[in-house]
Amino acid sequence: DAGVTQSPTHLIKTRGQQVTLRCSPISGHKSVSWYQQVLGQGPQFIFQYYEKEERGRGNFPDRFSARQFPNYSSELNVNALLLGDSALYLCASTLMRDQETQYFGPGTRLLVL
Amino acid sequence: AQSVTQLGSHVSVSEGALVLLRCNYSSSVPPYLFWYVQYPNQGLQLLLKYTTGATLVKGINGFEAEFKKSETSFHLTKPSAHMSDAAEYFCAVSVGGGTSYGKLTFGQGTILTVHP
Repeated sequence: DAGVTQSPTHLIKTRGQQVTLRCSPISGHKSVSWYQQVLGQGPQFIFQYYEKEERGRGNFPDRFSARQFPNYSSELNVNALLLGDSALYLCASTLMRDQETQYFGPGTRLLVL
Repeated sequence: AQSVTQLGSHVSVSEGALVLLRCNYSSSVPPYLFWYVQYPNQGLQLLLKYTTGATLVKGINGFEAEFKKSETSFHLTKPSAHMSDAAEYFCAVSVGGGTSYGKLTFGQGTILTVHP
């Protein structure tokens, strides 16, 4: 079975621009979480979505938003990019009956210049 | 709020030696605990998890961890290191529910180097 997939793999943007990152969960998984991993640090929780609704939110500004589609895929949007948004963005999916185990995708590496 | 502290940002061992990566957590409710491994330019791979039940948990690639409530610890061990174990390791805690729904809180990570 395919794991969690993310696109694009790499992205370069300039300050002030907007970016959209995409995630497809493991087949049968209904929940998607997003994390930001800045170089040299552990991942930080941004959002969790389940059945198209936001179910959890981390300490990130309103420039960060997300949504989940009927097929359970998800998009993360970041507006007004700052240099500090440069990071690896990880998506994880969860099988709700085993909701504590999150399976991660390979990530999207975003560089903001 | 929960937190995780990984003692030692870098650990270096010889091939065949014991691997010990330390993790302490803070949680006001019974936690779920995880170890993930990250190879360069890749995502996170689940090594093992503790939810309830047996406190000694066995994972993939010969790793195991023991949940010690009295010490609030969840240290990761492997009896004999292999070159392929070189990677960054993350300890994480989840308590679920409320605004923490689906939230994993990670430590800062420990980079494991294995020398021939």
